Amino acid sequence: GDSVTQTEGQVALSEEDFLTIHCNYSASGYPALFWYVQYPGEGPQFLFRASRDKEKGSSRGFEATYDKGTTSFHLRKASVQESDSAVYYCALGNMGYKLTFGTGTSLLVDP
Amino acid sequence: AQTIHQWPVAEIKAVGSPLSLGCTIKGKSSPNLYWYWQATGGTLQQLFYSITVGQVESVVQLNLSASRPKDDQFILSTEKLLLSHSGFYLCAWSLAGSNQDTQYFGPGTRLLVL
Repeated sequence: GDSVTQTEGQVALSEEDFLTIHCNYSASGYPALFWYVQYPGEGPQFLFRASRDKEKGSSRGFEATYDKGTTSFHLRKASVQESDSAVYYCALGNMGYKLTFGTGTSLLVDP
Repeated sequence: AQTIHQWPVAEIKAVGSPLSLGCTIKGKSSPNLYWYWQATGGTLQQLFYSITVGQVESVVQLNLSASRPKDDQFILSTEKLLLSHSGFYLCAWSLAGSNQDTQYFGPGTRLLVL
C-alpha cells in the first residue's frame, strides 16, 4: 500500500537557519503530494501541493519539489522564524479519496 | 468563503458510553467529507469518507460509524466508547469530483475517555 516516510521526528533550529525536512513516499501510479502544518490544539493547515514530476509547490516561504526519480518531496525554507515552530506533515493522495500522512516532524525554532 | 465547524470542542466521556461528534461545512456545495483520528502526539489516520449524502465509506475499523444525513453535515458516532477512542477527531472537506484534491481540516474535537 501507499506510505510516506518522514525521517526527522524532531528538528531544533535557531532563527534564520535553513530548514530541510525530508519526505519520501512509496505509491503506485502518480500520487499528489502535500505539506500540512499543525499548531498545538488546532487542525492541520494546508501549506501547498504538487501533482507532477518536477513541479514545485510553495507557500509562506516554504517550498518543495516533486521528484519522481527519488520519490521525494522535501520541505525547505531558507530562513526560519520562531513562529514557524509547529508539526509538519507530508501527505500523499492517490486513488480512492484516501490521504496518507507521514509521522510528522516537530520543528522548534529558538529566537 | 467556506467555513467548517466541529462540535463539541471537547468531551470527557466514560468507557462504555455513547458518542456523537458533528461537522458542518458552509459555503461549498456537495463537498467530499472526511473523518480523521489523531492520537496525542501521533499522525492522522483517515477513518471515513463520503462523496454524497447517505453514502459513507469506511477506511479503517475502530468500532466507530459515520453518517451523512445532509449535504453539509457529517456525523461520527459509537454506541460504546473504548479507552482507545481517546484523541483528536478532525473533519475535513475537499471539492467534489476529484479524489486527489486538497483536503481542508476543521478545528477538531478533543475526546478523553476515562
